[in-house]
Amino acid sequence: QKEVEQNSGPLSVPEGAIASLNCTYSDRGSQSFFWYRQYSGKSPELIMFIYSNGDKEDGRFTAQLNKASQYVSLLIRDSQPSDSATYLCAGRYGKLTFGTGTRLTIIP
Amino acid sequence: KAGVTQTPRYLIKTRGQQVTLSCSPISGHRSVSWYQQTPGQGLQFLFEYFSETQRNKGNFPGRFSGRQFSNSRSEMNVSTLELGDSALYLCASSLGQIDSEQFFGPGTRLTVL
Repeated sequence: QKEVEQNSGPLSVPEGAIASLNCTYSDRGSQSFFWYRQYSGKSPELIMFIYSNGDKEDGRFTAQLNKASQYVSLLIRDSQPSDSATYLCAGRYGKLTFGTGTRLTIIP
Repeated sequence: KAGVTQTPRYLIKTRGQQVTLSCSPISGHRSVSWYQQTPGQGLQFLFEYFSETQRNKGNFPGRFSGRQFSNSRSEMNVSTLELGDSALYLCASSLGQIDSEQFFGPGTRLTVL
């Protein structure tokens, strides 16, 4: 069973701080990972994807992939109240396999 | 470029009925995947279609089926509805390469009474 696991939270972070979201995966077979953001009552929105070991930055978001340790993380710098949402990590094992999501709340 | 569209957005059915949901992918995308999302189970993969062929299938009973047309539009059908089928059904489209990013539609909220 190929799995992607996330801490369901909730995770509370003060406004302006760095939010760190983590995800582990069970099978080294996956080569690509995706982070989605989902607001309550809305569909998931793609934020970042990463294929290679190391960091990938896009604005306030940085995705990190460590294949040796089988974890993926998402850092959100200068957190804003609008970042409050559930963040879903997904790995590609033929099909896209999602974690259960981490609920993030940014406290003003 | 228009996003993924799904119809209908909301649906109420009773147990035993069947339902058909529709998904139109982003123009140029050839792959469509379907997911079921519930508070208890999270986002569960149903199936993926690429160029009218089912490429992957999740662990759902045979009551759940789908198809894709030559214009890449896709439909999914659920027969003999059960109360537990109440969920948000999401469709996502991608270009079709194995590592392509998937983009989600707004979903269809199905309620089974």
